[in-house]
Formats: sequence, structure tokens, C-alpha cells
Amino acid sequence: VQLVESGGGLVKPGGSLRLSCAASGFFFSDYYMSWIRQAPGKGLEWLSYISSSGSSIHYADSVKGRFTISRDNAKNSLYVQMNSLRAEDTAVYYCARCRLDSRGWYHLGLDYWGQGALVTVSS
Amino acid sequence: AIQLTQSPSSLSASVGDRVTITCRASQGINSALAWYQQKPGKAPKFLIYDASSLEGGVPSRFSGSGSGTDFTLTISSLQPEDFATYYCQQFNTYPHTFGPGTKVGIK
Repeated sequence: VQLVESGGGLVKPGGSLRLSCAASGFFFSDYYMSWIRQAPGKGLEWLSYISSSGSSIHYADSVKGRFTISRDNAKNSLYVQMNSLRAEDTAVYYCARCRLDSRGWYHLGLDYWGQGALVTVSS
Repeated sequence: AIQLTQSPSSLSASVGDRVTITCRASQGINSALAWYQQKPGKAPKFLIYDASSLEGGVPSRFSGSGSGTDFTLTISSLQPEDFATYYCQQFNTYPHTFGPGTKVGIK
């Protein structure tokens, strides 16, 4: 299993950025996926999740209305479009695979993580 | 949103020590809790799910317990590679919040 984020960088406040997460080593279309971030020197913050088909999506209040999660199962890729970026969005952004229970009803954890992509919001 | 608190926020321990970290939820979450280990500059590593089930490949010195609002992560005999920050995460209700972390340092 491998998850590789890309698209990070420096962006001005109010700007936009799109992160990608390329998945390999597993059947991407079978798995729910999540985005998590970690501000410098701080803890982990769950941001969003998307179901395997893309039909179910949830966001943290801190990014709702500004960030949009999506996926392309044909390309084995997960995305997050980040708009109206603020200084407090500066963080390392991780994508992670969601483990569900055997019936596929309940989340159990985030079992594989990418290496992270740094997003810096600064003028 | 469900809030998770962890105690202590940091601790110092020696190799061979038994270490216990507590995670408390602001409301009941059944057993929908996971634990992760994170080392500096690295992505978190999945340790425990469903409050007490050990992820494959994780050493048996790690164990988890609890249900409802109170949970613990125990390292039975601390090893040099266990010095890291540990996070709990709840999956009972969206958003799937993380605890603030507990840093385990060398005494």
C-alpha cells in the first residue's frame, strides 16, 4: 500500500490550492479515504472523508464551505480543493485510507497514511 | 463535536517502564476509538482499533482498553523505539476528532 501526496506549496491568503493523493497497492475504489492535517508543532486534525463511491462526504467545521474532497477511482486518486486559504491552514496535509469493519458499516481507523504535503499560507 | 482529552500531555519514562496513557471522550463513543504513534517528521502509524484490537504487526507490548468515555493505551515494557507522540481518535460521530496527543520522552 502506498499513498503519495502532491500539490503542496506556498500560497497567499485568500488563494487556492489543490492537493492530490496517488494510491497504489490496493483496490482504491473499495476504500473510504480521508484528509488529515497537522499544523507546525501541533496535533492532528481530521478534515474530511469520502466514501468509496464518492456518494458520502463529511467535513470538519473548520474547512466546511472552503475545502472540497473528491476522488477519481479510474485514476486511483484522491483530491482536496482548498479555497479561501488562511494563515491558520498552514500545515502538513496527509491522505489516509479508512479501515471499516467486516460489514463495511463502521470506521475502525486510518490504517495507511501518505508522507504528507506541506501547505504554507503566507503573503 | 465530541472532544477528546489525553492525559498526561507528556511524560518521561525509562526503557522497560510500564506506560499508561488515558483518553477521555466528552460523551460516550462505545468502543469506536483508535490509537496512533507518531515520530518526528513522520506520518502517524496505526496501532489499535476498536479500542482494544491490535493492528497486525504491532508489538504485543501495546494494548488498549476501555469503552464509553474512558480509554487507555498501555505499553507494558517501553522500548527505545517507542519514544514518540501518541494520539487517540474517535469514530463514533463526525467529525472524527483526534485527542491532543501525549508525548513520551526519555527520562
